Amino acid sequence: EDKVVQSPLSLVVHEGDTVTLNCSYEVTNFRSLLWYKQEKKAPTFLFMLTSSGIEKKSGRLSSILDKKELFSILNITATQTGDSAIYLCGGGSNYKLTFGKGTLLTVNP
Amino acid sequence: EAQVTQNPRYLITVTGKKLTVTCSQNMNHEYMSWYRQDPGLGLRQIYYSMNVEVTDKGDVPEGYKVSRKEKRNFPLILESPSPNQTSLYFCASSGQGWGYNEQFFGPGTRLTVL
Repeated sequence: EDKVVQSPLSLVVHEGDTVTLNCSYEVTNFRSLLWYKQEKKAPTFLFMLTSSGIEKKSGRLSSILDKKELFSILNITATQTGDSAIYLCGGGSNYKLTFGKGTLLTVNP
Repeated sequence: EAQVTQNPRYLITVTGKKLTVTCSQNMNHEYMSWYRQDPGLGLRQIYYSMNVEVTDKGDVPEGYKVSRKEKRNFPLILESPSPNQTSLYFCASSGQGWGYNEQFFGPGTRLTVL
C-alpha cells in the first residue's frame, strides 16, 4: 500500500522565520512528488518534482526531491501571515496520487 | 476559464437518502478523481477514472459509486449515505496520469449526513 508521511503535522512560527516541511514517501511505480497549498478552499498547486537533486523555486518557496532516500522538503523563507495554510504532499504514480495528512502552518505577526 | 466545478457546494441530508454530487471539467482532461478530506486523515482517494467508461477504486471506495459516461463529467453517487460519510469532498482532473502533471481541484462539497 502506498504511503506518504508528512512532518511536522503542525507548526507555529513568527513572521520572517524560515520553515522546512518534510515529506517521505513509499509509492509503487513512483513518478513524481507534488506539493499543494490549501487555505480555506481547494488545494492549489505549488510544485511537481520528478528528478532527484533539482531544486524548484517560486519566490520564497523552494522544494527538492531525494529519490534515493524517498523524501522531499518544502522550504519557505521570510514567512508571511499569508503563508498560513495546510501544505499537502502527494506521491504520484501512473494511476494514483496518494497524499500525506498535511502540515498545518500558522504564521503569527 | 479552465476549471473544475462541483455541485452542490454544501449539502445536509439524512441517512439513507440517495444523493449525487456532480463534477465537471472544461479542460478536456482524461483523468478524474474523487477525494474526501477529514480532519487528521488528509485527502484520501475514493475513485478515479482514466477515461470514459474506465473507472477504478481508490483507497476508500466503500459506500460510493461513480460513473464516467462523458469525458467532462464524473459524478459521485452515495446510494445510502451514512453519518460516517460526512466529509469535505473534492473532485480533481488531470491531463495525464497523476504522476505526470498537476491535478486541478474543484471547489469542494461539504456534505453532512444526519
